[in-house]
Amino acid sequence: GQQLNQSPQSMFIQEGEDVSMNCTSSSIFNTWLWYKQEPGEGPVLLIALYKAGELTSNGRLTAQFGITRKDSFLNISASIPSDVGIYFCAVPLAGGTSYGKLTFGQGTILTVHP
Amino acid sequence: SQTIHQWPATLVQPVGSPLSLECTVEGTSNPNLYWYRQAAGRGLQLLFYSVGIGQISSEVPQNLSASRPQDRQFILSSKKLLLSDSGFYLCAWSDQGKQPQHFGDGTRLSIL
Repeated sequence: GQQLNQSPQSMFIQEGEDVSMNCTSSSIFNTWLWYKQEPGEGPVLLIALYKAGELTSNGRLTAQFGITRKDSFLNISASIPSDVGIYFCAVPLAGGTSYGKLTFGQGTILTVHP
Repeated sequence: SQTIHQWPATLVQPVGSPLSLECTVEGTSNPNLYWYRQAAGRGLQLLFYSVGIGQISSEVPQNLSASRPQDRQFILSSKKLLLSDSGFYLCAWSDQGKQPQHFGDGTRLSIL
């Protein structure tokens, strides 16, 4: 089945630093999604990417849909304490009977020290 | 705009007791609905999904069941809870045939 390799598994950074994380797969996808989950809450969609090579920003967040369609990157600039959480990449399952199901990466736990 | 509600937010239940978690969606019709379990704050495991009223598909064999009695209502149930049923349960919805999925705030279930 489809597997996503998300890295790094965790990051400990100082406030103000930039953050980069990525997801890779051996399969090709037409959509990449990035979610953030804060403690005790459900994941919230940050950025959705629908086209290979697409670069999309949401405030200090920037995500790119890899040109090979097998990877995606999420960058956070000038991190702040409220960026703390778990970041997940996700892709739709392939096939006509996928019913909108998603495969998720294992997540990147981000800790920001003031 | 669309909203999704889950309740309760937290639940502590004894082993062997029944379970009913509810999820409702507002502002859309005929959504796809999903139940996930998340253990230890990592990794989302899809438990059930539904593409319409009364239509439930199970992803993994388990002690839980799901039902969709109304278009925008999704219920997760168990007749007898096990210790291993502890976790964070998330409901999500998406438009038919489209991405992305949108999540509720989850239910923290602790089994004693």
